[in-house]
Amino acid sequence: GAGVSQSPSNKVTEKGKDVELRCDPISGHTALYWYRQRLGQGLEFLIYFQGNSAPDKSGLPSDRFSAERTGESVSTLTIQRTQQEDSAVYLCASSHVGNEQFFGPGTRLTVL
Amino acid sequence: QKEVEQDPGPLSVPEGAIVSLNCTYSNSAFQYFMWYRQYSRKGPELLMYTYSSGNKEDGRFTAQVDKSSKYISLFIRDSQPSDSATYLCAMSYHSGGYQKVTFGTGTKLQVIP
Repeated sequence: GAGVSQSPSNKVTEKGKDVELRCDPISGHTALYWYRQRLGQGLEFLIYFQGNSAPDKSGLPSDRFSAERTGESVSTLTIQRTQQEDSAVYLCASSHVGNEQFFGPGTRLTVL
Repeated sequence: QKEVEQDPGPLSVPEGAIVSLNCTYSNSAFQYFMWYRQYSRKGPELLMYTYSSGNKEDGRFTAQVDKSSKYISLFIRDSQPSDSATYLCAMSYHSGGYQKVTFGTGTKLQVIP
């Protein structure tokens, strides 16, 4: 079937606005990850969902960032009151627990 | 000190050359070692996955892990222009019931025809 999909592929917003990024994982994958990739940087872990367990939010950089996932389906990452330093590519990955992570193409966020 | 160090490059080689990409790490808890390839404006894709020290070969790619030195390498033989991409090393261990993965910053590779 299809791989991990993310939308939008590109998002340009003004400082102070809220944005919502969407991730559709591979069907049947119970684990879902969000990462942030700044220009020239590695992947920075943000949050992990596993089934109906409480998510691991330890990587979220501030309380402006939040994410939700309903069951084992779509996840949304919300950034409130965006700042210029939030500009990055936001990557989503899904996997069976403990196995290879399959990444989506990412959402490129630009905050003006 | 970062948990995982990787030279960002860029690395430019002629077609057919042998490429060596390396990472060092400081956390001895890492159990699994991976190499991802990321083409421009795409998500990373897994190339190699190893657990123990030693070598693992897959076609033109060889992954090498030296746990005693906390050093991993990826070798690409007979490099092709299609190998031009950013290569990210990644390492993980079990934490809280899942694999906690730490990525290197990536090395940008260009193979010149």
